[in-house]
Amino acid sequence: SYDLTQPRSVSVSPGQTASITCSGDNLGNKYVCWYQQKPGQSPVLVIYQDTKRPSGIPERFSGSNFGSTATLTISGTQPMDEADYYCQAWDTSTATYVFGTGTKVTVL
Amino acid sequence: QLQLQESGPGLVKPSETLSLTCTVSGGSISSSTYYWGWIRQPPGKGLEWIGNIYYSETTYYKPSLKSRVTISVDTSKNQFSLKLSSVTAADTAVYFCARMYKKVIGGVERAEFDYWGQGTLVTVSS
Repeated sequence: SYDLTQPRSVSVSPGQTASITCSGDNLGNKYVCWYQQKPGQSPVLVIYQDTKRPSGIPERFSGSNFGSTATLTISGTQPMDEADYYCQAWDTSTATYVFGTGTKVTVL
Repeated sequence: QLQLQESGPGLVKPSETLSLTCTVSGGSISSSTYYWGWIRQPPGKGLEWIGNIYYSETTYYKPSLKSRVTISVDTSKNQFSLKLSSVTAADTAVYFCARMYKKVIGGVERAEFDYWGQGTLVTVSS
C-alpha cells in the first residue's frame, strides 16, 4: 500500500508560521492537495495541485512539494486555523486516492 | 452553489448491507468535468477514500474494499449511491459524499474533492 505520513500534531502561537509535512515515496512526482477539517464539519479544500489556492482561501495558506515531502504552510496563523489538516494524492501503483494520517494544528 | 446531501439509515446490523444516497443540487451530476465520490471517517480517525463514479457509470474502488462496494449513479434524479455489503463494526464511520475534479497534467493526475456533503454517521451494531 502507499502511505502518506503526517505529524500527529503541530502547535503554533498566533501570528507565527505553522508548517505541516506530508511524506510519501516519490511524492514530489505526484500532485498533492490539502484539506482543513474543523470538529464536526466536513473537510474543506485549502490547496490543490501542490501550490494553488481555491477561491476564498486566505493567502496565508501556501503549499509546496519536493522530493518525498509536501508541505502546507500557514503564515500568520490565526485562532480560526485551529483544525485537523489532511494531505491527499493519487497513487497510480495501487490505483488509490490516499489521504495522509492527519495533523492536528493547535493555536496556543 | 453546489450542495451535496447524504441520506440513509444511521444504524445497520452486522453482516447486512449499508446503503447511502447522495443528492446533488445546484449543479448537474452529468457534467463531464467531475467525478463523484464516497469517503469515510471512523470516529476520531482519519479520512479513507472508498470509491468514485463518473456520470457514464465508470467506477473506481479502493482495492481493499472492492469486493464489498458498489457505487451507482442515477442521472435522472441527480443522485449517486453507495452500497457496502457484509458490514462489521469496523465500518462504523461518518460517510461523506463529495465531488472530485480530476485532470491529467503532463502525465500526472491532479485530483481533489472540492465540494463535500455534511456527512452522515452510520453505526454498525446489532
